[in-house]
Amino acid sequence: GENVEQHPSTLSVQEGDSAVIKCTYSDSASNYFPWYKQELGKRPQLIIDIRSNVGEKKDQRIAVTLNKTAKHFSLHITETQPEDSAVYFCAASIESGGGNKLTFGTGTQLKVEL
Amino acid sequence: SAVISQKPSRDICQRGTSLTIQCQVDSQVTMMFWYRQQPGQSLTLIATANQGSEATYESGFVIDKFPISRPNLTFSTLTVSNMSPEDSSIYLCSVGKGATNEKLFFGSGTQLSVL
Repeated sequence: GENVEQHPSTLSVQEGDSAVIKCTYSDSASNYFPWYKQELGKRPQLIIDIRSNVGEKKDQRIAVTLNKTAKHFSLHITETQPEDSAVYFCAASIESGGGNKLTFGTGTQLKVEL
Repeated sequence: SAVISQKPSRDICQRGTSLTIQCQVDSQVTMMFWYRQQPGQSLTLIATANQGSEATYESGFVIDKFPISRPNLTFSTLTVSNMSPEDSSIYLCSVGKGATNEKLFFGSGTQLSVL
């Protein structure tokens, strides 16, 4: 089955700096890669996703890049703010019409310091 | 998106007992998923709940321990049976939305503590 590795496990940045979280996956058939943000005591929420036919996707301060050859993808957050502090999970799956079974990474605790 | 109501939000249970968690969605969905998130850990898929058929369980999870019902397209239950302290975790239901149901939306979770 799919295996997703995520690094780093913790990341501390100063407000206004950029943060980068990296993930690798094992199954070359995977073609859908979402990122979830989970604030303390809250449910995971989808913040951005990318499909394998796209190399990069941006949404305001967040962006995701995908390298299919190397089987890795990354989340980039620019101009970080205290409200970006949370645990971020990457995931990978193979899209099918019946729904996806996501395999999640181990999570990155991001702390944005004032 | 989807509005997913999950209850109970938390419970403290005695060893050997069972707890049923309910998940209600505001729209009809083909597939619902049940995840477990142990303290400080990632999300692990327990099973996929299909309406009108048996749930499909992931490796390490069995029906006798985690029976699932899916009586219609908006509702599912997960039962944690014969609980032990190792079952203490957050249990989350989720549904897929989007063109291929690829975007997962999660319920608010059930925090279970087993004494």
